[in-house]
Amino acid sequence: AQSVTQLGSHVSVSEGALVLLRCNYSSSVPPYLFWYVQYPNQGLQLLLKYTSAATLVKGINGFEAEFKKSETSFHLTKPSAHMSDAAEYFCAVIISGYSSASKIIFGSGTRLSIRP
Amino acid sequence: NAGVTQTPKFQVLKTGQSMTLQCAQDMNHEYMSWYRQDPGMGLRLIHYSVGAGITDQGEVPNGYNVSRSTTEDFPLRLLSAAPSQTSVYFCASSYKLEAFFGQGTRLTVV
Repeated sequence: AQSVTQLGSHVSVSEGALVLLRCNYSSSVPPYLFWYVQYPNQGLQLLLKYTSAATLVKGINGFEAEFKKSETSFHLTKPSAHMSDAAEYFCAVIISGYSSASKIIFGSGTRLSIRP
Repeated sequence: NAGVTQTPKFQVLKTGQSMTLQCAQDMNHEYMSWYRQDPGMGLRLIHYSVGAGITDQGEVPNGYNVSRSTTEDFPLRLLSAAPSQTSVYFCASSYKLEAFFGQGTRLTVV
């Protein structure tokens, strides 16, 4: 069965510093992987997705993620944090056998705080 | 284009009461889903639908019913609310590999 594990429920970085949010997946088949962002009192917004094309995926707001099959990882990075990046971030995978985003398994989330 | 609209935004229920959370989308998407979000647990799939008249259970379906009579609407029913159903509920509609989420309904059961 597919699953994702996010390492660290809370990450704090200084403004301008590198952001690294970790996600490892478990899947017996090539997965579709996603990162979503949730701002306070908002719904979820798609940051980026991996669909077995390029292993380095670029998303919105300067974020990117690299799919590494050997490490079963899909970590999210941003070279320079901005105060507006403070939010909760969710790694997610689509349940195997489905080609739509109707059945998504989410990680437990990582809250990103930015220090001035 | 409103996207996915959920009502109400906030609700307080007493144990044993029933209510319906409304979800509507105007993007003509076939796929719609309901999730609940609890601290430290991410979002968990309650029910989903792949088209009008077709629904199925997700990870945590107990205590919830759904129906899909039109493409646009996908209501979630709590027949007898319990404190364990206190949560934030999100509806999503999806097209191919992208899901679009509503703003959520914060439900408290006392």
